[in-house]
Amino acid sequence: DGGITQSPKYLFRKEGQNVTLSCEQNLNHDAMYWYRQDPGQGLRLIYYSQIVNDFQKGDIAEGYSVSREKKESFPLTVTSAQKNPTAFYLCASSKMTGVDQPQHFGDGTRLSIL
Amino acid sequence: KQEVTQIPAALSVPEGENLVLNCSFTDSAIYNLQWFRQDPGKGLTSLLLIQSSQREQTSGRLNASLDKSSGRSTLYIAASQPGDSATYLCAVRPGNTGFQKLVFGTGTRLLVSP
Repeated sequence: DGGITQSPKYLFRKEGQNVTLSCEQNLNHDAMYWYRQDPGQGLRLIYYSQIVNDFQKGDIAEGYSVSREKKESFPLTVTSAQKNPTAFYLCASSKMTGVDQPQHFGDGTRLSIL
Repeated sequence: KQEVTQIPAALSVPEGENLVLNCSFTDSAIYNLQWFRQDPGKGLTSLLLIQSSQREQTSGRLNASLDKSSGRSTLYIAASQPGDSATYLCAVRPGNTGFQKLVFGTGTRLLVSP
């Protein structure tokens, strides 16, 4: 079945440590996105990518970095510069052709501070 | 700046009731509006997407309407079931972006009791 796989499901970060969240899709989608979800708040866009080797900052990119070396993969690194990283992280993908393409989501990674 | 609000934040109903969830947005210049379902600890599942030129979309027991001029959408759930218990999120795609950016509301948490 086609879909989006995020790993790990749970992740713990120590002070000063960088951690990387994995996102893989087999839907042949060009566009991929990373969102952060905090309790009581809507999803906020961290980074997005419309094509391989290209990505753009979203609304809350500070303290995060991404890469897009393959169409299927869009890993997110939470750096030590992100002082409040505890949140639920969601990866999504969509087709680029056409105006009205729904975004498809993975099951998320919950990141906590040790 | 586009803002999306969902009322109520939480709703509890007995099984079998018809119910309405509300979503409002501040800027009527949108490409489309999507309704999502999120189960606890899970990602988002797309329920319905309404294009800006449409007034409503239906899928099974779900019906979503869009009044772009007044900045409102409703999600109508007929004959609610315990399996409908989840958080429902609406999101708009602003009309002034060249990519598929979504602006999310904070969600309505629905509990349907047997």
